[in-house]
Amino acid sequence: KQEVTQIPAALSVPEGENLVLNCSFTDSAIYNLQWFRQDPGKGLTSLLLIQSSQREQTSGRLNASLDKSSGRSTLYIAASQPGDSATYLCVLDTGNQFYFGTGTSLTVIP
Amino acid sequence: NAGVTQTPKFQVLKTGQSMTLQCAQDMNHNSMYWYRQDPGMGLRLIYYSASEGTTDKGEVPNGYNVSRLNKREFSLRLESAAPSQTSVYFCASKGHSNQPQHFGDGTRLSIL
Repeated sequence: KQEVTQIPAALSVPEGENLVLNCSFTDSAIYNLQWFRQDPGKGLTSLLLIQSSQREQTSGRLNASLDKSSGRSTLYIAASQPGDSATYLCVLDTGNQFYFGTGTSLTVIP
Repeated sequence: NAGVTQTPKFQVLKTGQSMTLQCAQDMNHNSMYWYRQDPGMGLRLIYYSASEGTTDKGEVPNGYNVSRLNKREFSLRLESAAPSQTSVYFCASKGHSNQPQHFGDGTRLSIL
């Protein structure tokens, strides 16, 4: 069974700092990997999707990378802002099943 | 731009009561999913429907039933609610493979 781990579980940074969130997984047989953010009391909002044949995706201040051979993905957030405060989840799509990490809770301090 | 709509947003039930959670999507997606989210455990798949007329069990199906009423709607039913089913329930949908999932805002369910 696929296991997805996100470290750290919580992170607090001052505004303006660049930061990296980590996601590791045990089985490289994936269709794609997706990064979401979840705000308190809300659903999940898709940020980036990396197909298994891709190495990275970028959207604005966000950059996600995928290294299937090592079972790792990172989400890089540049010039963090208080509005980036949320829980970030990585999700693996194996075709029929989705496997979720438990998330990293990010707080950006003004 | 409704996306995925879940009703109700909140519900409190007594043990043994039944209820149906509703989900509808307006993106013409083939696949729909029901998850539960519990503290420290992440989201876990309850049931999914790869296309209209089909449903399959996920990781934690016990105590639940689903119906894919049509392409738009996918409902989750608790026949006899138990306190262990207290959770936040999310519905999601997806188009073709390698397209992202879209989530509803969740239903917060408490069973006393």
